[in-house]
Amino acid sequence: EIVLTQSPGTLSLSPGERATLSCRASQSISSSFLAWYQQKPGQAPRLLIFSASLRATGIPDRFSGSGSGTDFTLTISRLEPEDFAVYYCQQNDASRTFGQGTTVEIK
Amino acid sequence: QVQLQESGPGLVKPSGTLSLTCAVSGDSFTSSNWWSWVRQPPGKGLEWIGEVYHSGLTKYNPSLKSRLSMSVDKSKNQFSLKLSSVTAADTAVYYCARGIIAVAYAFDIWGRGTKVTVSS
Repeated sequence: EIVLTQSPGTLSLSPGERATLSCRASQSISSSFLAWYQQKPGQAPRLLIFSASLRATGIPDRFSGSGSGTDFTLTISRLEPEDFAVYYCQQNDASRTFGQGTTVEIK
Repeated sequence: QVQLQESGPGLVKPSGTLSLTCAVSGDSFTSSNWWSWVRQPPGKGLEWIGEVYHSGLTKYNPSLKSRLSMSVDKSKNQFSLKLSSVTAADTAVYYCARGIIAVAYAFDIWGRGTKVTVSS
């Protein structure tokens, strides 16, 4: 099973700041099958990024994804108040697994 | 507009079977999508449970495989999950989701989730 490890566990930032979230896989995965989701309290997750770097429909361009192999990054260029949430990476290359999540909280 | 809606008992007794259904509107089971179940225990992260293809082909999380059964009912445009021998550790919000080729089989549509508690 491919294990995804996200860091940091919690990111404390202010609106307007840049957020950089990491997702590391226990073995190399195809970037075609790495996705990022946002989840707010009481809501279902929402797809942000698929294929490591492609934004899903309706996702603002302040969200960007990058990476390959075992190291992937989600960047939020300037945090808006609605961006404070939990973010999960997911691999769909070999079966499916999620990372444990990164909480982006208001500083 | 594609929508998914989970339904099923909110309370299941220990050692019993958890049964959920996901009704699909705005899409059909003839398309090349995978239909998944994901769960989230209280205060914890997401866990992929398994998925079913329109043909009935299934893929399961290895850690749950021995207790799982999934199926599709094309006539009702819905798919189902059965998890047997449940314990308190199976208490979670259960989501159904669509994996579509247009987004490399990531989950573009999710249901709102249904809370299931395992307790006597």
